[in-house]
Amino acid sequence: AQSVAQPEDQVNVAEGNPLTVKCTYSVSGNPYLFWYVQYPNRGLQFLLKYITGDNLVKGSYGFEAEFNKSQTSFHLKKPSALVSDSALYFCAVRDRNTGGFKTIFGAGTRLFVKA
Amino acid sequence: GAGVSQSPSNKVTEKGKDVELRCDPISGHTALYWYRQSLGQGLEFLIYFQGNSAPDKSGLPSDRFSAERTGGSVSTLTIQRTQQEDSAVYLCASRTGQGYQETQYFGPGTRLLVL
Repeated sequence: AQSVAQPEDQVNVAEGNPLTVKCTYSVSGNPYLFWYVQYPNRGLQFLLKYITGDNLVKGSYGFEAEFNKSQTSFHLKKPSALVSDSALYFCAVRDRNTGGFKTIFGAGTRLFVKA
Repeated sequence: GAGVSQSPSNKVTEKGKDVELRCDPISGHTALYWYRQSLGQGLEFLIYFQGNSAPDKSGLPSDRFSAERTGGSVSTLTIQRTQQEDSAVYLCASRTGQGYQETQYFGPGTRLLVL
């Protein structure tokens, strides 16, 4: 079975500081990993994904994430946070070997960036 | 081009009534997902359609929930004999490919309130 854990319900960061939103996953095969963002009163939007290749993935709005197979993690990072980054962030995983096309999302982490 | 659309945007119903939620995916997208987002919760996978293959219904919470996708395009999620715990935002997503093309595009959701 596949699962995703986002251990922090909320992350608070001051504007201009680096931010990290944590994600760990569990799959029996090889993972496809995703980050999506939900801004207030807006729909879910894709940020970035890891499929294969380079472990460091760069996405929209200056975000990046690093796939770490040994730690089964895919933490989302940004070097300098903006107030406009405040949103709800979801990590998701699909087991490309055994999970069919079912994508499992984490519970979400709410990011607050303070000016 | 047009994105994923869902209707109605809001639905208030009485306990015990049936409801139908509609999703129009992006034209040409072969895969369609339904998720449920409850207040303070993450995205809960409900069902997945891929082309003419049998749908993955493993996320449907009870036999009161069903979904169909007609003609490989529009999908309807039906909840029979609604209960108050069914109150949530129901999200639909579609995608075109897999692997590097595996990005899900989400609709705005239907907010369901069961009184």
